[in-house]
Amino acid sequence: QKEVEQNSGPLSVPEGAIASLNCTYSDRGSQSFFWYRQYSGKSPELIMSIYSNGDKEDGRFTAQLNKASQYVSLLIRDSQPSDSATYLCAVIGNNDMRFGAGTRLTVKP
Amino acid sequence: GAVVSQHPSRVICKSGTSVKIECRSLDFQATTMFWYRQFPKQSLMLMATSNEGSKATYEQGVEKDKFLINHASLTLSTLTVTSAHPEDSSFYICSAPHWGSYGELFFGEGSRLTVL
Repeated sequence: QKEVEQNSGPLSVPEGAIASLNCTYSDRGSQSFFWYRQYSGKSPELIMSIYSNGDKEDGRFTAQLNKASQYVSLLIRDSQPSDSATYLCAVIGNNDMRFGAGTRLTVKP
Repeated sequence: GAVVSQHPSRVICKSGTSVKIECRSLDFQATTMFWYRQFPKQSLMLMATSNEGSKATYEQGVEKDKFLINHASLTLSTLTVTSAHPEDSSFYICSAPHWGSYGELFFGEGSRLTVL
């Protein structure tokens, strides 16, 4: 079983719609969770971090964490073509960060 | 916020030569740094964990004699691709964790290696 799992996609949504990205993890002791965005040919950039159960909102982005079910999700409201990228879920446990394979999102104008 | 600088951003070399990539944490100390490789349209693949003052830890399948890692100081780690071949052409990315209260990982800009 992979430590951090994401649907590879591609996920395609129309402009203005809500994009929903999901991630599950295997280490129940994990404490810190992150979503990174990576444009093609570029390094990942942090867009959201979440540490406690519930929702965390930042602009058009909302991260949701459920430690009991071991999943973390990212919602992107009012999706824009510029949101088209690969989104990486990352989980920290035991001073070690593991990444999911990433979900490729395409927002169509 | 914390910054990690990686150099060079692009390098083209001939087959058989060696290439060194530097990764620096600019405003924090990093006893650990991570090196990733990413092929086109694929996810990040952890190659090795660089540890200041001790040997690097390599992931399964990564040749330690080919990918030499030196963590010379608390702010600098280097990756040397020795005797590079065209199949080593890839995007190499370093990162450094700033653990703090919860921890966060900061990425370098990445280095695009092309071996002719």
